[in-house]
Amino acid sequence: QSVLTQPPSVSGAPGQRVTISCTGSGSNIGAGSDVHWYQQFPGTAPRLLIYGNNNRPSGVPDRFSGSKSATSASLAITGLQAEDEADYYCQSYDNSLSGWGVFGGGTKVTVL
Amino acid sequence: EVQLVQSGAEVKKPGESLRISCKGSGYSFTKYWITWVRQLPGKGLEWMAKIDASDSYKTFSPSFEGHVTVSVDKSITTAYLQLSSLKPSDTAIYYCARRLAVTGPDDFWGQGTLVTVSS
Repeated sequence: QSVLTQPPSVSGAPGQRVTISCTGSGSNIGAGSDVHWYQQFPGTAPRLLIYGNNNRPSGVPDRFSGSKSATSASLAITGLQAEDEADYYCQSYDNSLSGWGVFGGGTKVTVL
Repeated sequence: EVQLVQSGAEVKKPGESLRISCKGSGYSFTKYWITWVRQLPGKGLEWMAKIDASDSYKTFSPSFEGHVTVSVDKSITTAYLQLSSLKPSDTAIYYCARRLAVTGPDDFWGQGTLVTVSS
């Protein structure tokens, strides 16, 4: 059972907009901890997609965007493309003194 | 070019120990933390621990504290993850990644090390 809750799967046709939710609690996202998002293709290491809730690293297309509100966050993919078919994970931090990390369970995006 | 290169795949028997290495290059190693992440077969990512490469300050997930050891050798810009008393349930891919800030993103990842524990 992951600390952050994501839907197991979402799907959409090419060109459509899909969103992935990431629900936490008052001890992580709700406590003000930033949310980061990662993309992972089968057999490869994760890749940073969004950091600090809504920032894109260099090289990430602007069709990917993030947002955060209260105890949850969302990743949106607009203009869905076949190459976006992958697993997506949200990550945040427990707001205790030690600040250990937590992941969502991952969401498989399928392009129909 | 920033690189994190991990040691190769391992096959171990139950009860044995293992140390995975993660060598950083192309950046100032001691300015960053190293995070360790586990991925069980066909499952999601699990945050294990992080270590400050400058002073070896460590933070563990409660799920992994006491079960794993993390360390760094600054002289060779390498971080280590040690697993002991291995069980078949430790079969997984283990990733290292670097982060600049304590709660920052993991912006570069190693290629992963597959560990198989089987009798």
